[in-house]
Amino acid sequence: ILNVEQSPQSLHVQEGDSTNFTCSFPSSNFYALHWYRWETAKSPEALFVMTLNGDEKKKGRISATLNTKEGYSYLYIKGSQPEDSATYLCAFYTGKLIFGQGTTLQVKP
Amino acid sequence: DTGVSQDPRHKITKRGQNVTFRCDPISEHNRLYWYRQTLGQGPEFLTYFQNEAQLEKSRLLSDRFSAERPKGSFSTLEIQRTEQGDSAMYLCASSLKDLGAKVTETQYFGPGTRLLVL
Repeated sequence: ILNVEQSPQSLHVQEGDSTNFTCSFPSSNFYALHWYRWETAKSPEALFVMTLNGDEKKKGRISATLNTKEGYSYLYIKGSQPEDSATYLCAFYTGKLIFGQGTTLQVKP
Repeated sequence: DTGVSQDPRHKITKRGQNVTFRCDPISEHNRLYWYRQTLGQGPEFLTYFQNEAQLEKSRLLSDRFSAERPKGSFSTLEIQRTEQGDSAMYLCASSLKDLGAKVTETQYFGPGTRLLVL
């Protein structure tokens, strides 16, 4: 059974703080890792698709890194804003997506 | 709006009733996926279609669940004889998979159907 773990489960930060989350996944038979942001009452939104060891991707204040050899990915948010409040999901791709349980971020103004 | 749409957005039903959900994918997308998400968990894979063919079903999908994609466009997910444990968010996603290349593809999600079984 493939296991994808995310930590922490939830996070409360002040506006302007930088933060990061971890996604752990099986290091064997790696194909791709996807990151999604899911705001309440909206559709999950694709952030990054990461395929190569050492990959670093950036979208505005959000960036992600990938280490396939040790089986982890980090998502960083620089200078958090209230609109960054959401659940951040990583998913290990095997044709279908195997999701972690998510990290819920709350940014206080 | 050319995104993935799902209908209804919310459904409340009594235990033992049948329910059906609909998903309209992004036009031209050849793959369509169903996931289920319960409180505190990430979405769990249920099944997926490539055009009209159902290629994989999760062991989570009991005999009470059936999904169709009759013309390779929209899809329906039916739950028969609902149980309280079926209460969850049911998510649909679609993607355009390049069948000739070994590359991953982005899955685009709909807003989900939230089911409550009383």
